[in-house]
Amino acid sequence: EDQVTQSPEALRLQEGESSSLNCSYTVSGLRGLFWYRQDPGKGPEFLFTLYSAGEEKEKERLKATLTKKESFLHITAPKPEDSATYLCAVQALMRGYQKVTFGTGTKLQVIP
Amino acid sequence: NAGVTQTPKFRILKIGQSMTLQCTQDMNHNYMYWYRQDPGMGLKLIYYSVGAGITDKGEVPNGYNVSRSTTEDFPLRLELAAPSQTSVYFCASSYSKAPGSLQNEQFFGPGTRLTVL
Repeated sequence: EDQVTQSPEALRLQEGESSSLNCSYTVSGLRGLFWYRQDPGKGPEFLFTLYSAGEEKEKERLKATLTKKESFLHITAPKPEDSATYLCAVQALMRGYQKVTFGTGTKLQVIP
Repeated sequence: NAGVTQTPKFRILKIGQSMTLQCTQDMNHNYMYWYRQDPGMGLKLIYYSVGAGITDKGEVPNGYNVSRSTTEDFPLRLELAAPSQTSVYFCASSYSKAPGSLQNEQFFGPGTRLTVL
């Protein structure tokens, strides 16, 4: 069974204190890994898609990387507005369609 | 583009009542999904659809039903509501060239917060 594990469950950073969130996965035939941001009371919002080991993508203070077993979301010099829950999801082929499995998320709080 | 819209935003049901959660997307996406999100539990897939007329069960389908008569609409029906169905429900959609092809990212609606008392 496909599994996605995110760590830590919660992370508290001072503004400007860089860190990384981890998403480890066990899946047969990874076809893609997604990162989403979810603000309280809202639906998840797409950030990145990574398709192969070694791939990296950046957006403002966020950088996502992918290896064969895990993905990291690096946050450089975070600001309070980066506070949110970050979800990762993996895509794999199952029963003829591309199944997407979500992790439980990392809740990030950035303190001014 | 409104994206994915869901109604209602909030609802309180009594045990045994039924209701339909509405979901509409205007992006001409073929895939649509229903998830529930409980505190600290992540997103659990209830049902999904790869196109009009085609639906299938996800991880937690019991107590729910869906239909997909058009590309745009994917309503979720709760029959005989139970307290265990208290949750936040998200509808999402995505595009894929064909049912077995890679999906693009999912677009989520704002959610429906349901309480069953």
